[in-house]
Amino acid sequence: DAGVIQSPRHEVTEMGQEVTLRCKPISGHNSLFWYRQTMMRGLELLIYFNNNVPIDDSGMPEDRFSAKMPNASFSTLKIQPSEPRDSAVYFCASTTTSGTTYEQYFGPGTRLTVT
Amino acid sequence: AQKITQTQPGMFVQEKEAVTLDCTYDTSDPSYGLFWYKQPSSGEMIFLIYQGSYDQQNATEGRYSLNFQKARKSANLVISASQLGDSAMYFCAMREVYSGNTPLVFGKGTRLSVIA
Repeated sequence: DAGVIQSPRHEVTEMGQEVTLRCKPISGHNSLFWYRQTMMRGLELLIYFNNNVPIDDSGMPEDRFSAKMPNASFSTLKIQPSEPRDSAVYFCASTTTSGTTYEQYFGPGTRLTVT
Repeated sequence: AQKITQTQPGMFVQEKEAVTLDCTYDTSDPSYGLFWYKQPSSGEMIFLIYQGSYDQQNATEGRYSLNFQKARKSANLVISASQLGDSAMYFCAMREVYSGNTPLVFGKGTRLSVIA
């Protein structure tokens, strides 16, 4: 299996621009999570989906952030307009209700820099 | 609410020695899981080990073992025979496990440095 795929791996953009991060979960996984990692706040949940339905978006910082999961194999996280404080590593993770370890599989992350 | 506390920002260990990374947690959920992830300098998150709250025995995975003390709400990671490649950030995390897939709550992490 290819694992969780994220694109782009690195993104540098100017303040005010729209940024779209993409994630392809592992085939057959029915839950998808978006996390953000910063030095100040560590790893924190932004939003997660079960069976393509958003369950909890309370971690989304503000209305500038939005996430969609149009089908089981694709999700996007959009920031519009971007701000320097959005600079972070954004991870996508997926998992399944089958099995017994409940492990979440992480993608390689997207390092976002907003100047 | 769930909370993970890792009190050691950084640790040093001699190659081939064992090291214990501390993790305490707080939750009101009766059924939960505890996880350890490794994040090397390359940035990826690597799953190491899982312990369920109802598991009777401590989890082990190769050189990794989880010292689970439920009454103390601690879930320390023990790495035996440290290797240079073990140098990385280590994150303790938890989530409740009785209602399907739920998000992980992470600690701040411990940076482990293995010295030759």
